[in-house]
Amino acid sequence: GEDVEQSLFLSVREGDSSVINCTYTDSSSTYLYWYKQEPGAGLQLLTYIFSNMDMKQDQRLTVLLNKKDKHLSLRIADTQTGDSAIYFCAEILNRDDKIIFGKGTRLHILP
Amino acid sequence: SQTIHQWPATLVQPVGSPLSLECTVEGTSNPNLYWYRQAAGRGLQLLFYSVGIGQISSEVPQNLSASRPQDRQFILSSKKLLLSDSGFYLCAWSLTERDEQFFGPGTRLTVL
Repeated sequence: GEDVEQSLFLSVREGDSSVINCTYTDSSSTYLYWYKQEPGAGLQLLTYIFSNMDMKQDQRLTVLLNKKDKHLSLRIADTQTGDSAIYFCAEILNRDDKIIFGKGTRLHILP
Repeated sequence: SQTIHQWPATLVQPVGSPLSLECTVEGTSNPNLYWYRQAAGRGLQLLFYSVGIGQISSEVPQNLSASRPQDRQFILSSKKLLLSDSGFYLCAWSLTERDEQFFGPGTRLTVL
C-alpha cells in the first residue's frame, strides 16, 4: 500500500540540531519532499531529493535517504525560533505522479 | 470524523474548454480550505485559500479561479483551459490557519 509515516511532535532547544524522520512504503517513488507549514501560510517546499541520491545539503538543511530501509530524514542545523512549524514528508509515486503526504511533525523550539 | 472528497478523480479536457473541480469537507464547520497544484516532477504550489464563505485569496496569477458557495464546498474553475493547466490538483482543509492541513485524494487533470 501507499503510506508515509512520521512522528507527530518534536521539541528541540534553540541552537541544537533538529532531526525529523519519515518512513515510506512504496519503493516506486521518484522524488521525496520536505514541506514546511507555518501558521497562517500554505505549504512551502523546503527541499527535495531524487530517489537515486543518498544525501542532499542546502545551507542548514540536510536530507538523508536510506532507500533500502525506505527512511528519509531532515536535519536542521542550529535550529532557530523561526524554524517552529509543521514539517511534512511526501513522496511522488513513479507510476502515476501521485503525491502522498505524511501527517506532519510539529517542531517546537525550546528557549 | 472529518473527511474530504474531491471530484472527479481523473479528467481529460481539450484546450480551451471550461473546468470545474469540486472539493467538499464533511464533519467540521467553517474550515479553512486550500487548492494546490502539483505539476509533474515538482512540489506543491498553493493556488487559492479561503477562510470563509465567499472569501477567496489568490496566491498566483493565472487563468484559474476559485469559489466557495457553501461553508464546506470549494470549487476550482477555469473558463478556458491551457495545456499548462495539466497537473494534479489537491484540495486541503484545516481548522484554523495555525493547524495542520488535511489533504483530499486529488484530481488528475490532463489538458490535450
